[in-house]
Amino acid sequence: ELKVEQNPLFLSMQEGKNYTIYCNYSTTSDRLYWYRQDPGKSLESLFVLLSNGAVKQEGRLMASLDTKARLSTLHITAAVHDLSATYFCAVEMNRDDKIIFGKGTRLHILP
Amino acid sequence: DAGITQSPRYKITETGRQVTLMCHQTWSHSYMFWYRQDLGHGLRLIYYSAAADITDKGEVPDGYVVSRSKTENFPLTLESATRSQTSVYFCASGGRGSSYEQYFGPGTRLTVT
Repeated sequence: ELKVEQNPLFLSMQEGKNYTIYCNYSTTSDRLYWYRQDPGKSLESLFVLLSNGAVKQEGRLMASLDTKARLSTLHITAAVHDLSATYFCAVEMNRDDKIIFGKGTRLHILP
Repeated sequence: DAGITQSPRYKITETGRQVTLMCHQTWSHSYMFWYRQDLGHGLRLIYYSAAADITDKGEVPDGYVVSRSKTENFPLTLESATRSQTSVYFCASGGRGSSYEQYFGPGTRLTVT
C-alpha cells in the first residue's frame, strides 16, 4: 500500500529565509502533485510533476521529483508572509489511478 | 456554472441517517475523486471513478457508497451516518488524461450528531 510522508509537518520561518519541504513515498510512481490550502478553503493545484528529474517553478516556489529516490521537494526561496498556508504532496500510483495525499506541511511565515 | 461544485456546503445530520453529498463538474473529466479531510490525517481517498459506471475503493471506503451514472456527477452516500464520519468532504476531478491536473470542489462540512 502506498504511503506518502511529508516533513516537516509544521514549519515556522522568518520572511526572507529559504526552506525545503520533503515528500517521500513508498512505491513506484511517476506522477506527483503539490497543492496549497489556505485555512477554511479548498485545495489549489501548484505543480504537477510527471517524470523523473522534473522541475517546475512558480514565483518563490520550486518543485522537483526524483522517482528513483521516491522523493519530491518543494523549495521556498526568500519566503514572504503570503506563502503561509498548508502544502500537500500527493502521489499517483502507477498500477492504478489512486492519488494518495501526505498529511500536509503547515507553513507559518513570520513577518 | 463552470467548474466543480459540491452541495450542500454544510450539513448537520443525526447518527443513523442516510446522507448524500453531491458533486458536479462541467469539464467532462473522466476521473473523479472523493476525499475526507480530518485534522492530523490530511486528505484520505474514499472512492474514485475512472469513468461513468466505473468506481473503485480508496483508502477509507467503509460506510460510504458511490455511483456514477453520468460523467459529470459523482454522488457520495453515507448509508447510516456515524459520528466518526464528521469531516470535511472534498470532491475532485481531473487527474489522468486531463493534463494530470486535479481540481477540487469547495468542500462540504458534515457534522454527525
